[in-house]
Amino acid sequence: EAGVTQFPSHSVIEKGQTVTLRCDPISGHDNLYWYRRVMGKEIKFLLHFVKESKQDESGMPNNRFLAERTGGTYSTLKVQPAELEDSGVYFCASSPGLAVSTDTQYFGPGTRLTVL
Amino acid sequence: AQTVTQSQPEMSVQEAETVTLSCTYDTSESDYYLFWYKQPPSRQMILVIRQEAYKQQNATENRFSVNFQKAAKSFSLKISDSQLGDAAMYFCAYRSYLNFGNEKLTFGTGTRLTIIP
Repeated sequence: EAGVTQFPSHSVIEKGQTVTLRCDPISGHDNLYWYRRVMGKEIKFLLHFVKESKQDESGMPNNRFLAERTGGTYSTLKVQPAELEDSGVYFCASSPGLAVSTDTQYFGPGTRLTVL
Repeated sequence: AQTVTQSQPEMSVQEAETVTLSCTYDTSESDYYLFWYKQPPSRQMILVIRQEAYKQQNATENRFSVNFQKAAKSFSLKISDSQLGDAAMYFCAYRSYLNFGNEKLTFGTGTRLTIIP
Protein backbone atom coordinates (compact mmCIF):
# COMPACT_ATOMS: atom_id res chain seq x y z
CA GLU A 1 0.00 0.00 0.00
CA ALA A 2 1.40 3.37 -1.02
CA GLY A 3 1.93 5.89 1.73
CA VAL A 4 1.16 9.57 1.75
CA THR A 5 3.02 11.29 -1.07
CA GLN A 6 3.80 14.95 -1.54
CA PHE A 7 5.01 16.91 -4.50
CA PRO A 8 7.36 18.64 -4.99
CA SER A 9 9.87 17.57 -2.38
CA HIS A 10 11.53 20.96 -2.54
CA SER A 11 10.50 24.28 -4.03
CA VAL A 12 12.49 27.48 -4.24
CA ILE A 13 10.61 30.59 -5.32
CA GLU A 14 10.97 34.33 -5.09
CA LYS A 15 8.87 36.55 -2.92
CA GLY A 16 5.64 37.44 -4.67
CA GLN A 17 5.47 34.29 -6.76
CA THR A 18 2.87 31.56 -6.48
CA VAL A 19 3.49 27.99 -5.44
CA THR A 20 1.18 25.00 -5.31
CA LEU A 21 1.91 22.02 -3.13
CA ARG A 22 0.23 18.71 -3.67
CA CYS A 23 -0.61 15.87 -1.32
CA ASP A 24 -1.90 12.43 -2.21
CA PRO A 25 -3.24 10.68 0.88
CA ILE A 26 -3.41 6.96 1.44
CA SER A 27 -6.21 5.58 -0.70
CA GLY A 28 -9.51 5.46 1.15
CA HIS A 29 -8.49 7.89 3.89
CA ASP A 30 -11.23 10.44 4.51
CA ASN A 31 -9.18 12.72 6.74
CA LEU A 32 -6.44 14.87 5.32
CA TYR A 33 -4.37 17.33 7.33
CA TRP A 34 -1.86 20.00 6.44
CA TYR A 35 0.84 21.05 8.90
CA ARG A 36 3.82 23.38 8.63
CA ARG A 37 7.14 23.53 10.41
CA VAL A 38 9.06 26.75 10.30
CA MET A 39 12.79 26.26 10.90
CA GLY A 40 13.52 25.34 14.51
CA LYS A 41 9.96 25.69 15.65
CA GLU A 42 7.12 23.32 16.33
CA ILE A 43 5.01 21.67 13.67
CA LYS A 44 1.80 23.64 13.46
CA PHE A 45 -1.61 22.58 12.25
CA LEU A 46 -2.96 24.41 9.22
CA LEU A 47 -6.21 22.72 8.27
CA HIS A 48 -8.21 19.52 8.14
CA PHE A 49 -10.35 18.07 5.38
CA VAL A 50 -12.96 15.39 5.81
CA LYS A 51 -13.39 14.09 2.30
CA GLU A 52 -13.77 17.26 0.21
CA SER A 53 -15.02 19.49 3.03
CA LYS A 54 -12.94 21.73 5.23
CA GLN A 55 -13.55 20.58 8.80
CA ASP A 56 -11.20 23.04 10.45
CA GLU A 57 -9.07 25.74 8.87
CA SER A 58 -8.28 27.61 12.05
CA GLY A 59 -4.54 27.22 11.54
CA MET A 60 -4.35 28.87 8.13
CA PRO A 61 -2.09 31.92 8.55
CA ASN A 62 -3.91 34.31 6.24
CA ASN A 63 -5.83 34.56 2.99
CA ARG A 64 -2.72 34.08 0.89
CA PHE A 65 -3.13 30.38 1.58
CA LEU A 66 -5.79 28.40 -0.27
CA ALA A 67 -6.36 24.70 0.20
CA GLU A 68 -8.55 22.45 -1.86
CA ARG A 69 -9.34 18.79 -1.96
CA THR A 70 -10.81 17.81 -5.27
CA GLY A 71 -13.34 15.00 -5.07
CA GLY A 72 -12.10 14.03 -1.66
CA THR A 73 -8.90 12.59 -3.06
CA TYR A 74 -5.69 14.58 -3.42
CA SER A 75 -5.27 18.04 -1.94
CA THR A 76 -3.44 21.16 -3.03
CA LEU A 77 -2.18 24.04 -0.96
CA LYS A 78 -1.54 27.22 -2.89
CA VAL A 79 0.41 30.15 -1.55
CA GLN A 80 -0.18 33.38 -3.48
CA PRO A 81 1.73 35.63 -3.27
CA ALA A 82 4.48 33.96 -1.27
CA GLU A 83 6.26 35.89 1.48
CA LEU A 84 9.59 35.22 3.16
CA GLU A 85 7.90 33.98 6.35
CA ASP A 86 6.14 31.24 4.39
CA SER A 87 9.40 29.30 4.16
CA GLY A 88 9.31 26.00 5.97
CA VAL A 89 8.42 22.36 5.58
CA TYR A 90 4.81 21.59 4.75
CA PHE A 91 3.59 18.21 5.87
CA CYS A 92 0.49 16.40 4.81
CA ALA A 93 -1.07 13.60 6.83
CA SER A 94 -4.07 11.33 6.37
CA SER A 95 -6.11 9.04 8.56
CA PRO A 96 -8.90 6.58 7.82
CA GLY A 97 -12.13 8.14 9.05
CA LEU A 98 -14.55 9.19 11.76
CA ALA A 99 -15.55 5.68 12.75
CA VAL A 100 -12.22 4.96 14.32
CA SER A 101 -11.65 7.24 17.28
CA THR A 102 -8.11 6.15 17.65
CA ASP A 103 -7.04 6.91 14.10
CA THR A 104 -3.34 7.18 13.48
CA GLN A 105 -2.20 9.99 11.24
CA TYR A 106 0.19 8.88 8.52
CA PHE A 107 2.54 11.57 7.36
CA GLY A 108 4.06 12.35 4.02
CA PRO A 109 7.74 13.25 3.60
CA GLY A 110 6.98 16.96 3.44
CA THR A 111 7.63 19.72 0.93
CA ARG A 112 10.43 22.10 1.80
CA LEU A 113 9.46 25.57 0.62
CA THR A 114 12.09 28.27 0.39
CA VAL A 115 11.00 31.81 -0.41
CA LEU A 116 13.85 34.13 -1.40
CA ALA B 1 -5.22 25.92 24.09
CA GLN B 2 -2.87 23.04 24.58
CA THR B 3 0.90 23.42 24.41
CA VAL B 4 3.68 20.86 24.17
CA THR B 5 7.24 21.56 25.30
CA GLN B 6 10.36 19.63 24.44
CA SER B 7 13.21 21.22 26.35
CA GLN B 8 16.02 19.23 24.76
CA PRO B 9 16.79 20.43 21.23
CA GLU B 10 19.53 17.82 20.85
CA MET B 11 20.49 14.61 22.60
CA SER B 12 23.13 12.00 21.92
CA VAL B 13 23.60 8.48 23.19
CA GLN B 14 26.13 5.73 22.76
CA GLU B 15 24.96 2.79 20.70
CA ALA B 16 23.36 0.08 22.88
CA GLU B 17 22.81 2.53 25.74
CA THR B 18 19.51 3.94 27.00
CA VAL B 19 18.30 7.49 26.44
CA THR B 20 15.27 9.40 27.68
CA LEU B 21 13.66 12.25 25.78
CA SER B 22 11.56 14.70 27.76
CA CYS B 23 8.17 16.16 26.96
CA THR B 24 5.80 18.22 29.04
CA TYR B 25 2.42 19.54 28.05
CA ASP B 26 -0.25 21.84 29.28
CA THR B 27 -3.96 21.16 29.02
CA SER B 28 -7.17 21.63 30.95
CA GLU B 29 -8.67 18.46 29.48
CA SER B 30 -8.82 15.22 31.42
CA ASP B 31 -8.92 12.86 28.45
CA TYR B 32 -6.48 13.05 25.58
CA TYR B 33 -3.87 11.15 23.61
CA LEU B 34 -0.13 11.61 23.57
CA PHE B 35 2.23 10.50 20.85
CA TRP B 36 5.87 10.26 19.99
CA TYR B 37 6.69 10.57 16.31
CA LYS B 38 10.07 9.94 14.73
CA GLN B 39 11.40 11.57 11.57
CA PRO B 40 14.63 10.03 10.25
CA PRO B 41 16.76 12.24 8.00
CA SER B 42 15.04 12.84 4.67
CA ARG B 43 12.32 10.36 5.47
CA GLN B 44 8.72 10.36 6.52
CA MET B 45 7.55 10.93 10.04
CA ILE B 46 6.28 7.73 11.63
CA LEU B 47 4.44 7.00 14.83
CA VAL B 48 6.63 5.45 17.50
CA ILE B 49 4.23 5.08 20.39
CA ARG B 50 0.93 6.41 21.71
CA GLN B 51 -0.60 6.75 25.15
CA GLU B 52 -4.23 7.22 26.13
CA ALA B 53 -4.48 9.52 29.13
CA TYR B 54 -7.15 7.39 30.80
CA LYS B 55 -4.80 4.41 30.90
CA GLN B 56 -2.52 4.29 33.91
CA GLN B 57 -0.23 1.71 32.38
CA ASN B 58 2.67 3.14 30.44
CA ALA B 59 2.73 2.20 26.76
CA THR B 60 5.54 0.02 25.44
CA GLU B 61 6.59 -0.87 21.91
CA ASN B 62 9.61 -3.15 21.82
CA ARG B 63 12.61 -1.00 22.79
CA PHE B 64 10.47 2.13 23.17
CA SER B 65 8.55 2.91 26.33
CA VAL B 66 7.04 5.96 27.91
CA ASN B 67 6.89 7.35 31.40
CA PHE B 68 3.50 9.02 31.59
CA GLN B 69 2.96 11.18 34.65
CA LYS B 70 -0.51 12.65 34.27
CA ALA B 71 -0.47 14.84 37.36
CA ALA B 72 2.87 16.32 36.37
CA LYS B 73 1.80 16.53 32.70
CA SER B 74 4.96 14.76 31.67
CA PHE B 75 5.40 12.24 28.87
CA SER B 76 8.97 11.09 28.38
CA LEU B 77 10.21 8.54 25.86
CA LYS B 78 12.80 5.95 26.80
CA ILE B 79 14.75 4.19 24.10
CA SER B 80 16.59 1.10 25.29
CA ASP B 81 19.49 -0.58 23.52
CA SER B 82 19.87 2.37 21.14
CA GLN B 83 20.60 1.49 17.53
CA LEU B 84 22.02 3.53 14.68
CA GLY B 85 18.63 3.48 13.01
CA ASP B 86 17.14 5.36 15.96
CA ALA B 87 18.92 8.53 14.86
CA ALA B 88 16.14 10.96 14.00
CA MET B 89 14.15 13.98 15.03
CA TYR B 90 11.64 13.01 17.69
CA PHE B 91 8.43 14.96 18.13
CA CYS B 92 6.06 14.77 21.06
CA ALA B 93 2.43 15.47 20.19
CA TYR B 94 -0.93 15.92 21.90
CA ARG B 95 -4.40 15.24 20.63
CA SER B 96 -7.66 16.04 22.31
CA TYR B 97 -9.94 13.09 23.03
CA LEU B 98 -13.11 15.12 22.78
CA ASN B 99 -12.99 16.40 19.26
CA PHE B 100 -14.10 13.45 17.21
CA GLY B 101 -13.67 14.23 13.57
CA ASN B 102 -10.94 16.70 14.30
CA GLU B 103 -7.83 14.95 15.35
CA LYS B 104 -5.37 17.74 14.85
CA LEU B 105 -2.09 17.22 16.59
CA THR B 106 -0.27 19.79 18.69
CA PHE B 107 3.47 19.25 18.46
CA GLY B 108 6.55 20.20 20.40
CA THR B 109 9.64 21.66 18.76
CA GLY B 110 11.39 18.31 18.51
CA THR B 111 14.54 16.68 19.84
CA ARG B 112 17.30 15.66 17.47
CA LEU B 113 18.76 12.34 18.63
CA THR B 114 22.24 11.31 17.55
CA ILE B 115 23.52 7.78 18.04
CA ILE B 116 27.25 7.48 18.64
CA PRO B 117 28.74 4.25 17.27
